[in-house]
Amino acid sequence: AQSVTQPDIHITVSEGASLELRCNYSYGATPYLFWYVQSPGQGLQLLLKYFSGDTLVQGIKGFEAEFKRSQSSFNLRKPSVHWSDAAEYFCAVGAKETSGSRLTFGEGTQLTVNP
Amino acid sequence: NAGVTQTPKFQVLKTGQSMTLQCAQDMNHNSMYWYRQDPGMGLRLIYYSASEGTTDKGEVPNGYNVSRLNKREFSLRLESAAPSQTSVYFCASGSGPTPGAFFGQGTRLTVV
Repeated sequence: AQSVTQPDIHITVSEGASLELRCNYSYGATPYLFWYVQSPGQGLQLLLKYFSGDTLVQGIKGFEAEFKRSQSSFNLRKPSVHWSDAAEYFCAVGAKETSGSRLTFGEGTQLTVNP
Repeated sequence: NAGVTQTPKFQVLKTGQSMTLQCAQDMNHNSMYWYRQDPGMGLRLIYYSASEGTTDKGEVPNGYNVSRLNKREFSLRLESAAPSQTSVYFCASGSGPTPGAFFGQGTRLTVV
């Protein structure tokens, strides 16, 4: 069975600082991997996804993530955080046999941005 | 471009009442999903439908039923609501050559 671990429940960074959110997954084959962002009271917005090819993936809003098979990780990064990035971030893994659309989620990381 | 539409957005039920959450997608996706979101637990899969006419249990199916009415619509029914079903419910869809899931805006359900 697939699983996802987001080790950090809550992270606080200063505006303009760099950000890295951690995600580790467990899956028997090459997974489909996703990062979603959720603002308060809102639905989930897809930031980026990996399913093959280049292991460094660019997403929306200036985010990127790197798939590291040897570490079973898919960490999300942003070089300079903006106050509007404050939200909850979810890492998810999907299986190829479901086109990656049946997802297992991590518990989420809440990001606070200090002015 | 509607994407995935859920109704209602908010609902308060009394224990024992029933209700149906509606979901429709206009992206011609084969697969549809119902998740619930609870604090500190991420999203958990309740039921899913890999294609029209099929449904399968997910991680937390107890107390729920689903209907895949047609390719566009996938409803979730609570027959006898319990306080433990207080949650935010998300519908999602996906398929084919674009891996991933597209989510609706959610239904916030409170059972008192």
